Amino acid sequence: ETVLTQSPDTLSLSPGERATLSCRASQSVSSYLAWYQQKPGQAPRLLIYDASSRATGTPLRFSGSRSGTDFTLTISSLEPEDFAVYYCQQRSTRPPFTFGQGTKVEIK
Amino acid sequence: QLVESGGGVVQPGKSLRLSCAVSGFTFSTYGMHWVRQAPGKGLEWVAVTSHDGSSEDYADSVKGRFTISRDNSGNRLYLQMNSLSAEDSAVYYCARQQYVRDAFDVWGQGTVVTVSS
Repeated sequence: ETVLTQSPDTLSLSPGERATLSCRASQSVSSYLAWYQQKPGQAPRLLIYDASSRATGTPLRFSGSRSGTDFTLTISSLEPEDFAVYYCQQRSTRPPFTFGQGTKVEIK
Repeated sequence: QLVESGGGVVQPGKSLRLSCAVSGFTFSTYGMHWVRQAPGKGLEWVAVTSHDGSSEDYADSVKGRFTISRDNSGNRLYLQMNSLSAEDSAVYYCARQQYVRDAFDVWGQGTVVTVSS
C-alpha cells in the first residue's frame, strides 16, 4: 500500500513569507503527483499536477518540484488567501489513488 | 460544473444513493471519481469509473458495499452506498479526472452523508 506522508502537519507563517510543504511517498512512484488547496467549507482546488505543472488559474507564486520520492510545494510569498490546508495526491497501485493527510498553513 | 445531491441522515445498515449532475464538458470523455471527507479529517479517495463505465475500482474501506456507476446519456454519476456505518459519515465529492492524467481538476461542492441512529 502506497502511503503519502505530508510534513509538517501545521505551518505557522506570516504573509509575505515563503512556505515549503513536503510530501513523501512510501515507495517509488510515478512523477504524477498533484497538490490541492482546500479552504474551510469549500471543495479542494487543483493547484499543481504532474509534480510541477500549474493548473489553470494557479498563481505563479505556487511551484512544485520532485526529488526521488520526495515532492515539494513552494509558495514563494504568502498572500492572505493562501492560508488553507494543502493535500498531495498520487495515483498508485493499491489503493489506486491516494491523498496525503494534509498540511495546514496558518497565520502566525 | 458538478452538482452532487442525495445526501442526508441515514440509519446504520441502510442504503443511500448519491448523484452528481454534470454540465459544461463532454462527460463521456472523462474518468470520474468519488472522494469523501469525514468531519475534521482529510480527503479519502472512494471510487473511480472509467469514461465509458466499463471499469471501476474502489477503496478497500468501501469495496463490496459501494457501487459507482454513470449514465453518459444523462450526464450523471452515481454512488450506491449499502450497509452504511458511522465511519461512512462524510462530505462526498464527485470529481473529474484530468484527461490522460491522474489529478482531479473539477470538483463538486459536496453532499453531506450522516449515518446515525
